Amino acid sequence: EAQVTQNPRYLITVTGKKLTVTCSQNMNHEYMSWYRQDPGLGLRQIYYSMNVEVTDKGDVPEGYKVSRKEKRNFPLILESPSPNQTSLYFCASRRTAQYEQYFGPGTRLTVT
Amino acid sequence: AQSVSQHNHHVILSEAASLELGCNYSYGGTVNLFWYVQYPGQHLQLLLKYFSGDPLVKGIKGFEAEFIKSKFSFNLRKPSVQWSDTAEYFCAVNALNNAGNMLTFGGGTRLMVKP
Repeated sequence: EAQVTQNPRYLITVTGKKLTVTCSQNMNHEYMSWYRQDPGLGLRQIYYSMNVEVTDKGDVPEGYKVSRKEKRNFPLILESPSPNQTSLYFCASRRTAQYEQYFGPGTRLTVT
Repeated sequence: AQSVSQHNHHVILSEAASLELGCNYSYGGTVNLFWYVQYPGQHLQLLLKYFSGDPLVKGIKGFEAEFIKSKFSFNLRKPSVQWSDTAEYFCAVNALNNAGNMLTFGGGTRLMVKP
């Protein structure tokens, strides 16, 4: 089944404790991205990657890092999480030439 | 930079009522347009998309949207809503000469359908 998976689905952590949210897709898509969803703000792009070893900032990259060492994986790293990063995070993927994005199930992160 | 506005943040309808959700974007060039739906506790799913051709696009579950280029709009419609349409709806725009091919989302419209 074609899908985007994320882990963990729920995470409660404390300020400053490094964490990684994994994202994997099995559709051989070149393009992957991370969004955060906050009430009234819709989805805002954090980082995106147009292919392996190619990443770039989205609208709200501060406090986040990403890497794209393999085509299928695009982890999101919070080196020192803060409470304002409490949010619902979605990973998405698509083929570069097509613009329909496929979304993962979401990761609800709470930073206390 | 492109932006997307959804005018209605919350909409409450009774079953069988007609639905129209507004979406306007600010970008003067060629765009691809999307509507996504997010059912409670679930991830975003594509409802419909417009790339080119007929500006009236039909999607899943009886939804349709009309692209009006002169108004920079892509409003979502459904003639008769059902309780199961209760969800949050997001309009999204992709500017085609945007080097990053970023998909920009509106703030979302939360629809509640009363049985």
